[in-house]
Amino acid sequence: EVQLVQSGAEVKKPGESLKISCKGSGYSFTGYWIVWVRQMPGKGLEWMGIIYPGDSDTRYNPSFQGQVTISVDRSISTAYLQWSSLKASDTAIYYCVRLGVRGVPGYYFDYWGQGSLVTVSS
Amino acid sequence: EIVLTQSPGTLSLSPGERATLSCRASQSVSSSYLAWYQQKPGQAPRLLIYGASSRATGIPDRFSGSGSGTDFTLTINRLEPEDFAVYYCQQYGRSPTWTFGQGTKVEIK
Repeated sequence: EVQLVQSGAEVKKPGESLKISCKGSGYSFTGYWIVWVRQMPGKGLEWMGIIYPGDSDTRYNPSFQGQVTISVDRSISTAYLQWSSLKASDTAIYYCVRLGVRGVPGYYFDYWGQGSLVTVSS
Repeated sequence: EIVLTQSPGTLSLSPGERATLSCRASQSVSSSYLAWYQQKPGQAPRLLIYGASSRATGIPDRFSGSGSGTDFTLTINRLEPEDFAVYYCQQYGRSPTWTFGQGTKVEIK
């Protein structure tokens, strides 16, 4: 069974750093791209960036370039999303998702993590 | 950038009725690159339809997708209580890039 299990909820202050994680199992983790998706409170879905665990090729949505860093540790089948300096506007649920076609940085999002709620408040 | 506009914003229906959800693109979208997702409160979205009309694994056949070019439709026949949720369409573009519609909420009348 394909699973993406994300780290738990976080409460942070503005200016703090944060790294959340997403562990894949039940499939070839290095063979499928992973995308990070943001959902702000009561709002829709936005893709932030993608990473290919096979070679760490990473591409960002221009709206998020420079705001976050996406990385991967193949040895533990885990992808990461990190911030160096959080803002209140980063308050959202963040999902990691597997792209549905092996090796292709596109198409649909087939398996979703459960989401990680990040709250940034002073 | 292609903009996806979903309508209606909210659909009020009773269990057993048919739901018809629309997704209109600002430019032509290849059918291979149009998907639909369902999101229930407090849950992650779930893939329903990809390639405009192919059901994802485990999705009941009361869900169907159709359309081409700029107009796509998600139809839910005989609404079940668990179908009341928010539905998003999504398109994939080059670069890569993805855009989502703003969502249609299907609520119990």
